[in-house]
Amino acid sequence: AQRVTQPEKLLSVFKGAPVELKCNYSYSGSPELFWYVQYSRQRLQLLLRHISRESIKGFTADLNKGETSFHLKKPFAQEEDSAMYYCALAGIIQGAQKLVFGQGTRLTINP
Amino acid sequence: GAGVSQSPSNKVTEKGKDVELRCDPISGHTALYWYRQRLGQGLEFLIYFQGNSAPDKSGLPSDRFSAERTGESVSTLTIQRTQQEDSAVYLCASSSEGLYTQYFGPGTRLTVL
Repeated sequence: AQRVTQPEKLLSVFKGAPVELKCNYSYSGSPELFWYVQYSRQRLQLLLRHISRESIKGFTADLNKGETSFHLKKPFAQEEDSAMYYCALAGIIQGAQKLVFGQGTRLTINP
Repeated sequence: GAGVSQSPSNKVTEKGKDVELRCDPISGHTALYWYRQRLGQGLEFLIYFQGNSAPDKSGLPSDRFSAERTGESVSTLTIQRTQQEDSAVYLCASSSEGLYTQYFGPGTRLTVL
């Protein structure tokens, strides 16, 4: 079954420390993967997508097909990175295009 | 330009009442989605509209839930005979390219007493 797993519901790191939010997926095909972010009192928004191979706000994510992972990383966390992060997979599921979200990880950056 | 808007922003209702939640997508976006986000949980897909195709209703949790969309504009999510477990934030999103890069509304927080 197609699934996105974010094993950590909560993640807390200190400012300046590296951060990695884990995402694993299962999909029988070539998925497209995304990270969405929701800052406090703001709406959910796209952070980055793997096909763009871009770095947004210092975050990067590499698709590892061998490990079926798409972990989100940032070398030096900042307090404004505190937010809820969702990994999502886009693909053909049960004959229709769908976007499947993980359960989310709440990231807290401590000063 | 204007983003996705949803109304009302908050809705408190009594168990057993019907509620209607509205979503105005970004103009020109052919795809529209509804999600549910229960407290402390992830996003749960409910329903997906794409142009004139039949909607994908596979995520609706029961027959008390239904949604309509007028052409490529506003959508209404209706919950009949609300139950306390329906309490959640209901999010709407739209997209111009199928399901990629969805733009989300602010959500409607539904509380069923």
